[in-house]
Amino acid sequence: DSGVTQTPKHLITATGQRVTLRCSPRSGDLSVYWYQQSLDQGLQFLIQYYNGEERAKGNILERFSAQQFPDLHSELNLSSLELGDSALYFCASRKNSDTDTQYFGPGTRLTVL
Amino acid sequence: LAKTTQPISMDSYEGQEVNITCSHNNIATNDYITWYQQFPSQGPRFIIQGYKTKVTNEVASLFIPADRKSSTLSLPRVSLSDTAVYYCLVGVTGGYQKVTFGTGTKLQVIP
Repeated sequence: DSGVTQTPKHLITATGQRVTLRCSPRSGDLSVYWYQQSLDQGLQFLIQYYNGEERAKGNILERFSAQQFPDLHSELNLSSLELGDSALYFCASRKNSDTDTQYFGPGTRLTVL
Repeated sequence: LAKTTQPISMDSYEGQEVNITCSHNNIATNDYITWYQQFPSQGPRFIIQGYKTKVTNEVASLFIPADRKSSTLSLPRVSLSDTAVYYCLVGVTGGYQKVTFGTGTKLQVIP
């Protein structure tokens, strides 16, 4: 158990819909990362937040957005969903020192029908 | 962030030592080298991290030559449960930089 929690574990929805994925980082970790992993693909970095502020952006679509709240949990919002958005979405957290590693949550499996 | 190159896949028999090499020619002075392991449908798990020479923990060893342009993850006496994808990351992950995992190396351990 990494200490990072993600909800829901599974999510099935239809095209055009909007969903929200939630991540609670490890206690004391200020930084949260979001990743997308499609079937048999590598991890694609989406976005990073540090203490409530956006710090780095990767290949995140305009239909996707995220935020980190004062209690440090984070939400990833996916809208106008398409079939190709079906994937595993991982959240990771870290304290944010030079040698600190990322701790990953169990992921949310999103299926768009 | 330094680009990394790893073999796409490797096969090994149980009980053998496995070495997975990662090339990172553009590694910067402040960059660390970190390896993660990922099982299907699970989040990646940290294995080992190093800056130079050799690092060893209870799971693996990491060998880094003097020029730091490559690194080798060594898994001693692998078992079937070591079948997973192994990712090499290079960068100062403490900074506000994009993190690139790449496609990793799919290790298949054969009985």
